[in-house]
Amino acid sequence: GNSVTQMEGPVTLSEEAFLTINCTYTATGYPSLFWYVQYPGEGLQLLLKATKADDKGSNKGFEATYRKETTSFHLEKGSVQVSDSAVYFCALSTNFGNEKLTFGTGTRLTIIP
Amino acid sequence: KAGVTQTPRYLIKTRGQQVTLSCSPISGHRSVSWYQQTPGQGLQFLFEYFSETQRNKGNFPGRFSGRQFSNSRSEMNVSTLELGDSALYLCASSLEGYWTFGSGTRLTVV
Repeated sequence: GNSVTQMEGPVTLSEEAFLTINCTYTATGYPSLFWYVQYPGEGLQLLLKATKADDKGSNKGFEATYRKETTSFHLEKGSVQVSDSAVYFCALSTNFGNEKLTFGTGTRLTIIP
Repeated sequence: KAGVTQTPRYLIKTRGQQVTLSCSPISGHRSVSWYQQTPGQGLQFLFEYFSETQRNKGNFPGRFSGRQFSNSRSEMNVSTLELGDSALYLCASSLEGYWTFGSGTRLTVV
């Protein structure tokens, strides 16, 4: 079956530090990959996506590249801000838009001023 | 453009009762899915509907059920509530492959 393994948290960084949150996956076929973010008391917001190998998703300074050879989709940001504090979820779907999302366990990120 | 609307936002129920949660998708979206989020189990898929038909179902007991109406609005029902059903229930809708989530209904069973 499909699965997503995500870097365990929590992660605490100082403002302007470099961020990496690791995500690897197991899936049949060619999955689409996503990063979602959840702020306190809210639902999930789509942060970025990639639908095929070597695609790079990017949004709000965050980036992730779909690496088929390593089955990975690591999230990176060059300079984090306090407002980036949230829980980040890596997810996949194997039938784009027509099938459930399989989520990782989430990584709680806290940025200290 | 209005997002996915879930009602109510918070709910407190007693063990053994039943509950109905509502979800209004983004206008034009025909697919709706539901997830349960708990600290211990994370995000778990409940079911997915498309044009009033259940297309996918997660591994939950029969106490959990759902439906979708002709206007794409969806409801999920949990009967005979247990303490372990306390969770954030998230609804999402999709049009072109990207799921947009609502803010969720936080259910507390006491």
